[in-house]
Amino acid sequence: GDSVTQMEGPVTLSEEAFLTINCTYTATGYPSLFWYVQYPGEGLQLLLKATKADDKGSNKGFEATYRKETTSFHLEKGSVQVSDSAVYFCALPSGGSNYKLTFGKGTLLTVNP
Amino acid sequence: DTAVSQTPKYLVTQMGNDKSIKCEQNLGHDTMYWYKQDSKKFLKIMFSYNNKELIINETVPNRFSPKSPDKAHLNLHINSLELGDSAVYFCASSRGFNQPQHFGDGTRLSIL
Repeated sequence: GDSVTQMEGPVTLSEEAFLTINCTYTATGYPSLFWYVQYPGEGLQLLLKATKADDKGSNKGFEATYRKETTSFHLEKGSVQVSDSAVYFCALPSGGSNYKLTFGKGTLLTVNP
Repeated sequence: DTAVSQTPKYLVTQMGNDKSIKCEQNLGHDTMYWYKQDSKKFLKIMFSYNNKELIINETVPNRFSPKSPDKAHLNLHINSLELGDSAVYFCASSRGFNQPQHFGDGTRLSIL
């Protein structure tokens, strides 16, 4: 079945460091791909998305490129801030009619001042 | 305005009790979901509803019964609560399948 493998954390960085969180997927066809972020005590928010191969999703300084050849959707940010501390989830629609999201296990990012 | 709202935010109760969690969305979406997040932050789909109809029950015990009185609401009733039910439960909605989902802030259920 469809699955998402995500780099496990926790990841601890200093402010202004470069961030990469790896995500690879297994899927039938070419589904949309999403990154969600969960701040402490809150629900998940869509961070960015890509709907087809070679698309680049971007938001709040974060970027991810849909790579069909490597089945990857790695999340990157050039300079992280303390306010980026959160749990990040890679996800894809799955199931017969894409009726659900399959999530990676989440990566906890802590950014220190 | 809150897009997806869940109540209560916290629920502490004894094993064996019955409890309900309510969810409402004001986004005009046709599709709603319930997810369970365990202590390690792992998220798993429980139910998907489309236009008030159950689409999938993802191997959830029948002690869990969702109910959708209209497209804007998807409530979750849990009978005979067990220790393993302790988790954070998230409601979500989307315009349809394969679309980004909007999540509520979660209900933290603790079983004593």
